[in-house]
This record gives sequence, structure tokens and C-alpha cells, in this order.
Amino acid sequence: GAGVSQSPSNKVTEKGKDVELRCDPISGHTALYWYRQRLGQGLEFLIYFQGNSAPDKSGLPSDRFSAERTGESVSTLTIQRTQQEDSAVYLCASSSQSYEQYFGPGTRLTVT
Amino acid sequence: AQKVTQVQTEISVVEKEDVTLDCVYETRDTTYYLFWYKQPPSGELVFLIRRNSFDEQNEISGRYSWNFQKSTSSFNFTITASQVVDSAVYFCALSAYTGGGNKLTFGTGTQLKVEL
Repeated sequence: GAGVSQSPSNKVTEKGKDVELRCDPISGHTALYWYRQRLGQGLEFLIYFQGNSAPDKSGLPSDRFSAERTGESVSTLTIQRTQQEDSAVYLCASSSQSYEQYFGPGTRLTVT
Repeated sequence: AQKVTQVQTEISVVEKEDVTLDCVYETRDTTYYLFWYKQPPSGELVFLIRRNSFDEQNEISGRYSWNFQKSTSSFNFTITASQVVDSAVYFCALSAYTGGGNKLTFGTGTQLKVEL
């Protein structure tokens, strides 16, 4: 079946511009996660959605970052007024009740 | 707070050698889960294994095996008879199920290079 998909695969933006990153989870997965991976580093948790519960935003690095999810479908991660330190690969994952998280291919964001 | 440490930044081996990737974790939770993920050059993370904190049995899957020792807070990963296709970055991760989901805390990864 289809895995987690993300778009765009690559995004180059100028400092100060806003960007939107999209994630389509695996159908039927109730949980959706966003992570950030800076070059040569591990993944940092950003935000988590579970069904209709309030999202866990504890990993968002600043108020320039926000995310939305409609029901148990698509999620959008928005970064406002991008900075160079926002350059990273943004990874989305989804899971069902089995706790394994399945990751998408990521969006590589470059802020110039 | 949770923490995962992978002290080996990079390991290089010759094909057919056995290699062990170390992972040490810290957590105050009594129930938690440990994971290993593989990130090949293509970039997409591939799930390898999940272990519960109350199940310390070692596990073997083909050439892969995992040694979970709660007493030393370690969850090491061994590849037997390594192959070039095993070349990737391997991440160890930890989550605690608190009813609020299982966000993962990752180590910084170990780059494994398997050469002919």
C-alpha cells in the first residue's frame, strides 16, 4: 500500500518568506508526527497529532512554526519568516496503535 | 528528560565482518519503547525493530540481532556478515508511552560504511 508522502521534496526560499510543507499519512493511521533533521544530526521532534485530541506542540522551536491537521488526514507544517537556521530536512511520520512510526521521504528546506 | 547516546559517529568495516552499533539511553519512565531505524543514502528512514521495556529477550532477524540490557540501559544492534547494502546511517530511538503519544527521542546516528 501507499506509504507516507510529503511535498514538495525540495524547497528553496529566501530568508523572511513563509513556507508550507505537506504530509499525507498512511491511510488509517491516527497519529501523525513532524520531525526536523539538520545536516549530520539526529531527528528532533516538532509536533504530534492524535485523532481529534489537542496536538502536542512541545517540540516547536519558536512561534514561527505551526502545524495543522484535518481529522486523520493531511497535515501542513508552516514556517513563517524563515531564517537560515530553519534549513533542514523536515520529516513526517504516521503510526497506528502498534507504535512503529513510518516515515515519509522528507522535504529538504533551504533558506538562502 | 529522555536521552539517547550513540557514541560511534562512524564505523567502517569490510564486507562479511560483523559489526555492533552501540546505543545507551536515559529515561525516568518505567514503561518505554526502544527502536532502531535505518537511513540509507536515499534518505528515507526504515523501521527495523521495536522493543518494550519489560521484554529483555534478545531478538534475531536474519543477519540482524539486538541485545537489550536494562541493567546497563543499552540496546545494541549487531549486523552479522555485513554487506555493502548495509551501508547507511542507523538511528537508535526511545519513546515513553504516556497516553499522549509516543514521540521519539533519537540518537545522533552511526554512519556505517561497508566496503568490498
